[in-house]
Amino acid sequence: NAGVTQTPKFQVLKTGQSMTLQCAQDMNHNSMYWYRQDPGMGLRLIYYSASEGTTDKGEVPNGYNVSRLNKREFSLRLESAAPSQTSVYFCASSGLAGYNEQFFGPGTRLTVL
Amino acid sequence: QQPVQSPQAVILREGEDAVINCSSSKALYSVHWYRQKHGEAPVFLMILLKGGEQKGHEKISASFNEKKQQSSLYLTASQLSYSGTYFCGTSNSGNTPLVFGKGTRLSVIA
Repeated sequence: NAGVTQTPKFQVLKTGQSMTLQCAQDMNHNSMYWYRQDPGMGLRLIYYSASEGTTDKGEVPNGYNVSRLNKREFSLRLESAAPSQTSVYFCASSGLAGYNEQFFGPGTRLTVL
Repeated sequence: QQPVQSPQAVILREGEDAVINCSSSKALYSVHWYRQKHGEAPVFLMILLKGGEQKGHEKISASFNEKKQQSSLYLTASQLSYSGTYFCGTSNSGNTPLVFGKGTRLSVIA
């Protein structure tokens, strides 16, 4: 089992460019999450999906959109990248959000110039 | 609301003990603990649930005071491999996503 996979691992964008971060899990989890991690800020939730077909905003959703394509896949889109979106992005999955452990992908390091 | 972790950083010598604390201003259903090594993804350590249930690694111990909305992670006889940043995440129900603290950086030196 691969667990949680993310692509790409690294990306450099220019301000205003768009891109989609891909995430997939093979653990049959209902819940999936996108976090961003900035130095000294911990992990902040961008969006989450409690089940296939549903998505909800987290703490820092502005500038992002998500799609829960199916039970396995959850993508994060930046429509018009800004330097403030320079960060490390982690995707995670779990059973019930507050009851089960989360499994994290390896992360995507994004730089916006 | 983001839980508060303390201390922000701690340096230990091998074999020493440490306690990391996590506190919330809201009533909690669960507290989760994760460890992240530099350049890697967070890894699950333990879940403490309201009512006393615990899930996680046998060699990790933690407590959860439901009345005070506080949890503590106990690291005993520390090893070099314990180094990393420890995060607590809190939830107020079984269906509510976690809110993570800012982390505690632990460095174990020989």
